[in-house]
Amino acid sequence: GAGVSQTPSNKVTEKGKYVELRCDPISGHTALYWYRQSLGQGPEFLIYFQGTGAADDSGLPNDRFFAVRPEGSVSTLKIQRTERGDSAVYLCASAYRGSANTGELFFGEGSRLTVL
Amino acid sequence: GENVEQHPSTLSVQEGDSAVIKCTYSDSASNYFPWYKQELGKGPQLIIDIRSNVGEKKDQRIAVTLNKTAKHFSLHITETQPEDSAVYFCAASMGNTPLVFGKGTRLSVIA
Repeated sequence: GAGVSQTPSNKVTEKGKYVELRCDPISGHTALYWYRQSLGQGPEFLIYFQGTGAADDSGLPNDRFFAVRPEGSVSTLKIQRTERGDSAVYLCASAYRGSANTGELFFGEGSRLTVL
Repeated sequence: GENVEQHPSTLSVQEGDSAVIKCTYSDSASNYFPWYKQELGKGPQLIIDIRSNVGEKKDQRIAVTLNKTAKHFSLHITETQPEDSAVYFCAASMGNTPLVFGKGTRLSVIA
């Protein structure tokens, strides 16, 4: 079956621009996570959805970052007024509700964001 | 919050030898410890996990051990093969919090 799909795979933008990154989770997975991975580092938690609502957004670095999941499936991570320090690979993962946080996360291949 | 330290950052072994990667965690409430493998250009993929009610788990050439008293856990890969070359991440969770990952170990298996 299809895995987690993320688009775009690569995004180059200029400092100050607005960016949207999309995640299409595995069908039936109610839990959806966004992580950010900088070069040579492990994934860093940003936000976690259970259904349509954000169950935990404590990892969002500041109010320039926002994520939505209006119908409980596809999610969009939105970054306003991008800064060079936002450059990273943004990873999306999904999981079964019952295994959220203590079961397998299925990751997409990530969206590589470069802010010039 | 939870903090996960991982060592070494890089590891080179000869094909057929064993590889060991170690992690420590800070919060004694953590109860779930997975290991993920990440190949170049791909997302991390779960290879094995262990919960706090067991001390060791094995799956073919891969094993994980957990020492709750010392708050550390380790990944053991035996009879390494070139296809084991990748970046490996340990992680920890308390169940009600998302996974916290270590910084990763780049494993190179030399044929």
